[in-house]
Amino acid sequence: GESVGLHLPTLSVQEGDNSIINCAYSNSASDYFIWYKQESGKGPQFIIDIRSNMDKRQGQRVTVLLNKTVKHLSLQIAATQPGDSAVYFCAEMGGSNYKLTFGKGTLLTVNP
Amino acid sequence: NAGVTQTPKFQVLKTGQSMTLQCAQDMNHEYMSWYRQDPGMGLRLIHYSVGAGITDQGEVPNGYNVSRSTTEDFPLRLLSAAPSQTSVYFCASSSAGVRYGYTFGSGTRLTVV
Repeated sequence: GESVGLHLPTLSVQEGDNSIINCAYSNSASDYFIWYKQESGKGPQFIIDIRSNMDKRQGQRVTVLLNKTVKHLSLQIAATQPGDSAVYFCAEMGGSNYKLTFGKGTLLTVNP
Repeated sequence: NAGVTQTPKFQVLKTGQSMTLQCAQDMNHEYMSWYRQDPGMGLRLIHYSVGAGITDQGEVPNGYNVSRSTTEDFPLRLLSAAPSQTSVYFCASSSAGVRYGYTFGSGTRLTVV
């Protein structure tokens, strides 16, 4: 069935380091992917998205990479800051519907 | 522009009680969805709607009903609350057409005792 999963449930980095959060997906029909950030007690917040016709997309301090061959998605955060501490979810959408399927999340902790 | 508004923020129910979780968006989004979030489970889709008068089931629809009489509102009804429905509930909305990320509300934390 459709599933989106994460390799690492937790990630701890030092302030200023770069962070990489990985995600695997299994639905070959997925054509749209999103990374969300969720801080404690809040709803998921859109970070960046990528469509299946792209391999890479950059935002402010964030980059998403998509490898359709191995069905892998990653989120890179440059110069990680304490405010980046949160749970990060990847989500995918595909086929003819607009249902968004989420992975289980990775907890990112940034140490000062 | 309030985005996606959910009420209430917190609720405690007794087993067997019914209630409605409210969700409203002011972005004229066609698509709306309800998710529940349990520890270690990520977000799971309960029900979704692609427009007024159209709803469909998601991954975990049992015990929940929805309706979409207007574009703005998408209430979630718990018919007979059970402890297994203790969770945090999120409503989200998105534009139709070109795929866009969903915008989420701040959530309703529900405890069923």
